[in-house]
Amino acid sequence: DAKTTQPNSMESNEEEPVHLPCNHSTISGTDYIHWYRQLPSQGPEYVIHGLTSNVNNRMASLAIAEDRKSSTLILHRATLRDAAVYYCILRGGADGLTFGKGTHLIIQP
Amino acid sequence: NAGVTQTPKFQVLKTGQSMTLQCAQDMNHEYMSWYRQDPGMGLRLIHYSVGAGITDQGEVPNGYNVSRSTTEDFPLRLLSAAPSQTSVYFCASSYYGVSPYNEQFFGPGTRLTVL
Repeated sequence: DAKTTQPNSMESNEEEPVHLPCNHSTISGTDYIHWYRQLPSQGPEYVIHGLTSNVNNRMASLAIAEDRKSSTLILHRATLRDAAVYYCILRGGADGLTFGKGTHLIIQP
Repeated sequence: NAGVTQTPKFQVLKTGQSMTLQCAQDMNHEYMSWYRQDPGMGLRLIHYSVGAGITDQGEVPNGYNVSRSTTEDFPLRLLSAAPSQTSVYFCASSYYGVSPYNEQFFGPGTRLTVL
């Protein structure tokens, strides 16, 4: 699977939108972009995934650049419960997810 | 649904001991996998299975065995525990169907310490 680059940490205020960036310049045409998050002392939790078009679900939105070399996870209104490590993952096959170190999101009250 | 369950939650072993980490899911998912997470790191894939009777190696398979005799269960066996296997182990499952890209559901993890 191709590699992704994310900032080590980001900080945001409660009830404000959060934009988490991810660069994946070596993405292939069949790679899906997945986002998972991991709350402290828990297993990872699926957030969203997409291929080319922007995607929305009840948790977040995923904005994918036209050239697919970057994407942004958008939390529309952050809460303290959104404090977690967010992983951007490219998946092109059935052999599992390749996790990097992710972005540690800190939410200030 | 209980989702993905893992037992035990915590385990301490001595070097050279063997043990089995249990993983079960009640969602009728074909795909199951095992990951390990070392402190401050992302998860790394150990083994995975796309259905009963089918298993394959991931990124870090050495020292671990798996089998998949039923759809529900996917146990991970440590053959001879070593301190380097001290880690948190996560099991995951997903619906496979015609696409391998579906949402994966993770268990709560087993924290293993090898002395």
